[in-house]
Amino acid sequence: GAVVSQHPSWVICKSGTSVKIECRSLDFQATTMFWYRQFPKQSLMLMATSNEGSKATYEQGVEKDKFLINHASLTLSTLTVTSAHPEDSSFYICSARDRTSGRASVVDTQYFGPGTRLTVL
Amino acid sequence: GQQVMQIPQYQHVQEGEDFTTYCNSSTTLSNIQWYKQRPGGHPVFLIQLVKSGEVKKQKRLTFQFGEAKKNSSLHITATQTTDVGTYFCAGGGNEKLTFGTGTRLTIIP
Repeated sequence: GAVVSQHPSWVICKSGTSVKIECRSLDFQATTMFWYRQFPKQSLMLMATSNEGSKATYEQGVEKDKFLINHASLTLSTLTVTSAHPEDSSFYICSARDRTSGRASVVDTQYFGPGTRLTVL
Repeated sequence: GQQVMQIPQYQHVQEGEDFTTYCNSSTTLSNIQWYKQRPGGHPVFLIQLVKSGEVKKQKRLTFQFGEAKKNSSLHITATQTTDVGTYFCAGGGNEKLTFGTGTRLTIIP
C-alpha cells in the first residue's frame, strides 16, 4: 500500500523558534497533500491543502504567515511553524492523495503519515 | 461549513460485547471513510463507502452508509481488547476530508 512518512516524529523547541516538519510520499506521487492538527483527545482539524507547484490553501482561522507550507515536488511537502509558542504544541499529521487513484475515480483516498508531536516550551 | 458529528463520544464495553458508533453530517457526502486511531498513534484507514445504502463488512466490523448519504455507522461484533482506540468517520467532498468528532472505545477485560 501507499506509504507516507513524516520527519521528525517528535520535536521539543523553545518558544520563539521555528520548526520544520517534512511529509514524504514514499512509493507514489502526490499532487495534493493535506496538513492536519490534532490536540489531545480531539479530532483532526484540517489546516491547509498543499498543491505541488502552487500556493497552499489554508482553512479559515489558520494563519498562513505562521504556518508556512511548501510543496516543491510530487513527493515532498513541508510545514514550518514559525515563531512557535506553547499553544502551538500539538500533533501535526500530513496526508497525501494518490495521484493515480484521484484520476481514475471520484473517491478521495488519503494516506496518512505517522504524525509529528510538537512541544513548545 | 460542513460539520460531522459522532455519537457517542466515549464508549466503555465489556470484552465480547458489541459496539456501535454513529456519524452524522450536516451536508450530503460524496463518500464516507472510517479510520481507527490507537492511543499515541496516527489514523489508520479502515474503509471507504461511496454508494447510497452501501454496507460493507470486514470480519467483525460492519459499515453502513445511509440512503441520504448524510450518515454512517460502524458496528463491531464481540469486541476484543485489540479494538481499543478512537474511531473517526470522515466525510469526503470537494477534495477534502472533514473528520468527525470521534468515538473513543475502551474495553473492560
